[in-house]
Parts: sequence; C-alpha cells; structure tokens
Amino acid sequence: DVKVTQSSRYLVKRTGEKVFLECVQDMDHENMFWYRQDPGLGLRLIYFSYDVKMKEKGDIPEGYSVSREKKERFSLILESASTNQTSMYLCASSLGTGFNEKLFFGSGTQLSVL
Amino acid sequence: AQSVTQLDSQVPVFEEAPVELRCNYSSSVSVYLFWYVQYPNQGLQLLLKYLSGSTLVKGINGFEAEFNKSQTSFHLRKPSVHISDTAEYFCAVSVRLLYNQGGKLIFGQGTELSVKP
Repeated sequence: DVKVTQSSRYLVKRTGEKVFLECVQDMDHENMFWYRQDPGLGLRLIYFSYDVKMKEKGDIPEGYSVSREKKERFSLILESASTNQTSMYLCASSLGTGFNEKLFFGSGTQLSVL
Repeated sequence: AQSVTQLDSQVPVFEEAPVELRCNYSSSVSVYLFWYVQYPNQGLQLLLKYLSGSTLVKGINGFEAEFNKSQTSFHLRKPSVHISDTAEYFCAVSVRLLYNQGGKLIFGQGTELSVKP
C-alpha cells in the first residue's frame, strides 16, 4: 500500500523562525499536496505539485513556499513562522492519471508557533 | 467555483442507531465526489467515491452515500453505527487540474461523529 510519511508528528517553533515540513511518498506518484487543517474550516489547500520542480498555489499560499527537487519528496517552508500558522499540516499524494484519483494522506504534523 | 458545505459540525449518536452526515456541493460542471474519514491521530483515508453510474455508492465499513444531482447533495449514511466509527468525516469534490489531467480536492468543513454506548 502507498505510504506517505511526514517527518515530524509534533513541532514547536518560535515566531520568526524558518520552518521546514518534510513529506515523502513511496509509490512514484506524480501529484503531491500540502493542506492545513483547522477546526471548523476543514482542509484548505496551500500548495501542490504535479511534477518535479513544478509547483502551483492552492487556496491559501500566503506565508508559505514549497520545494520539490525529487519526485518522492515535497517540502513545505514557512519563511518566517507566525502564530496564525499554528495548525495541523497534512501532506497527500495521488497517482495523477485522472482527476478521479484518490489521495493518500500522511498522518499529519501538528505545528505550534509560540 | 466549486465548493462543499457540510451542514453539521457535530453529530452525536448512540451505538447501533442509524446516522446520516449531510453534504452539499456547488459546481457548474460534472463532478467527482468523495467521503474521507479521519480517525483520531491519523491521516485521512478514503471511505467511498462517486464517479458516474449508479447514484448509490457503497464504501468501506458499511457506509454508503447517495448522489443527488437535482439537490446537489452527497449524503453519507450507515444503518447501524459502532463505537469504532467515532471519527471526523470530510466530504470533498474533485477539481480537474489543467496541466496533467490530475485533480485536487476541495474539502468541506468536516463533521465530527461521536458514537456513544
């Protein structure tokens, strides 16, 4: 089965720090996604990537950037963390051959910015 | 633009009772619809999806959903719930990416199902 691994389950950072969230998938999937999950707001798409070195903004990209140097790895970067970026971050991947493909999710990283 | 609305943020129910979690979507084009479940401290996993064909879709763990085009709804149902069904449930609509024919999901706000003994 597909495995999507997020490097940290819990992370505590200080305001202004640069933060890296790492995600790795092991099934050669084309598409990778970063969502943030907040109570009452569901999941909101931050960025996605449909190929190596390609990236597209999602619905809430402000304050974030991404990097995809290798097909299996998709990193989310908070250039200068702020308290309103405290959230659960979920990485996902899909095969990418059609838009009816299901997404495979990692277990999430709970980020607290103090 | 596509959007998804889950009408109930929390649904408490007793064990072995039936449950319906409501989902409405808006879209000007044909859509693919999904239900995902998130158990405590886990990522999301697919429950079921509607692509085309029969409007009644059966998923894992005894769940089913009915696609109703005229009412733009995709409600999730289970005739008898278990304690282990306690989780958060997300309805989602798929939006086609123009670049490689893949898709991205637009999620609803989520419904917390709490099953009590």
